[in-house]
Amino acid sequence: DVKVTQSSRYLVKRTGEKVFLECVQDMDHENMFWYRQDPGLGLRLIYFSYDVKMKEKGDIPEGYSVSREKKERFSLILESASTNQTSMYLCASRKQGGGETQYFGPGTRLLVL
Amino acid sequence: GNSVTQMEGPVTLSEEAFLTINCTYTATGYPSLFWYVQYPGEGLQLLLKATKADDKGSNKGFEATYRKETTSFHLEKGSVQVSDSAVYFCARSLGSARQLTFGSGTQLTVLP
Repeated sequence: DVKVTQSSRYLVKRTGEKVFLECVQDMDHENMFWYRQDPGLGLRLIYFSYDVKMKEKGDIPEGYSVSREKKERFSLILESASTNQTSMYLCASRKQGGGETQYFGPGTRLLVL
Repeated sequence: GNSVTQMEGPVTLSEEAFLTINCTYTATGYPSLFWYVQYPGEGLQLLLKATKADDKGSNKGFEATYRKETTSFHLEKGSVQVSDSAVYFCARSLGSARQLTFGSGTQLTVLP
């Protein structure tokens, strides 16, 4: 089974802090994704990565950056956290050319005070 | 534009009732369509999918048919159970990494 893990289930940070959210997958997937989930808005794509050292903006990249130095790890960075970034963050991965399905991690619930 | 519109919830049903959650999409090209489910306290899981027009996805008694003519992918189940209580998300994939666009989600509560 594919396993996608996220470094924290819950995080509390202060406005202005730099925040790192880590995601690791163990199935050698090329594509990785970061979404945020908000009530009434569903999931929205922040950034994604085709493969190592590659990254593309999603629908709402403002205020975020990403890093993909190793194939199994995809990090989401909040350069200066703001209260409107309080949300549930979900990471996903997918095998390039291996079917459409994305596999999701359990999510990180971030509260920015 | 490219978007997914999903029936708003919450939806509350009695056990063994019939379920329909509507989903329509707009997209250029040929998207694949998905239903994901999120049980309380858990991450998203794929429920079913369809990759081309007229395909029917099915799993755990749920079904959805890819209707290109109506750009729809409605989720149905003939007899819901309490354990089906969850949030259901419709999604479509498009683009070189097959990135997903999600609907807003529908909270389903099934009462015994």
